[in-house]
Amino acid sequence: KNEVEQSPQNLTAQEGEFITINCSYSVGISALHWLQQHPGGGIVSLFMLSSGKKKHGRLIATINIQEKHSSLHITASHPRDSAVYICAVPRDFGNEKLTFGTGTRLTIIP
Amino acid sequence: DAGITQSPRHKVTETGTPVTLRCHQTENHRYMYWYRQDPGHGLRLIHYSYGVKDTDKGEVSDGYSVSRSKTEDFLLTLESATSSQTSVYFCAISERGRNTEAFFGQGTRLTVV
Repeated sequence: KNEVEQSPQNLTAQEGEFITINCSYSVGISALHWLQQHPGGGIVSLFMLSSGKKKHGRLIATINIQEKHSSLHITASHPRDSAVYICAVPRDFGNEKLTFGTGTRLTIIP
Repeated sequence: DAGITQSPRHKVTETGTPVTLRCHQTENHRYMYWYRQDPGHGLRLIHYSYGVKDTDKGEVSDGYSVSRSKTEDFLLTLESATSSQTSVYFCAISERGRNTEAFFGQGTRLTVV
């Protein structure tokens, strides 16, 4: 079964800073998910990626399959980016069930 | 936004009572999942469904049952609620299961007193 570790657990930054959140996993996968959860809110899918890099607005996700590592970057961070960011991977290669990290709580100070 | 509705959004119930949570989708997706979210844990899978009347257990299925009689509805039942089942419950859907994006509901906050 895949094990997922995210770092850091908590991150506080000033508005405008470049943010990096990391995710490592233990078993080879076919695709990795990044999710966002605002306080008291639902969970939104940000990215699903299996190789290279994806970009959506100020968010960039990268993945290195060989190193079993993914990063989520936020450029020009804004207080509305404050949320918990969650990484999820299949339990094992091709499995339809996901294993989730415990999340990174991001706080952006104006 | 994907069409997923969870009901109720909040519920307080007494220990020993049965509780049913409903997940309704309008996307005609094949896969549906129930998760619970607790402090210090990642989302944990309770049960999932890969089609009408096709369900399977997740990693924390004890004390829970599910039913899916229609594509659009996935019900989670706590037969006899316990305080350890106090949690936030999320429903999710995906079109093909593996390697497809997952869409989540808004969550149901359940408190068992």
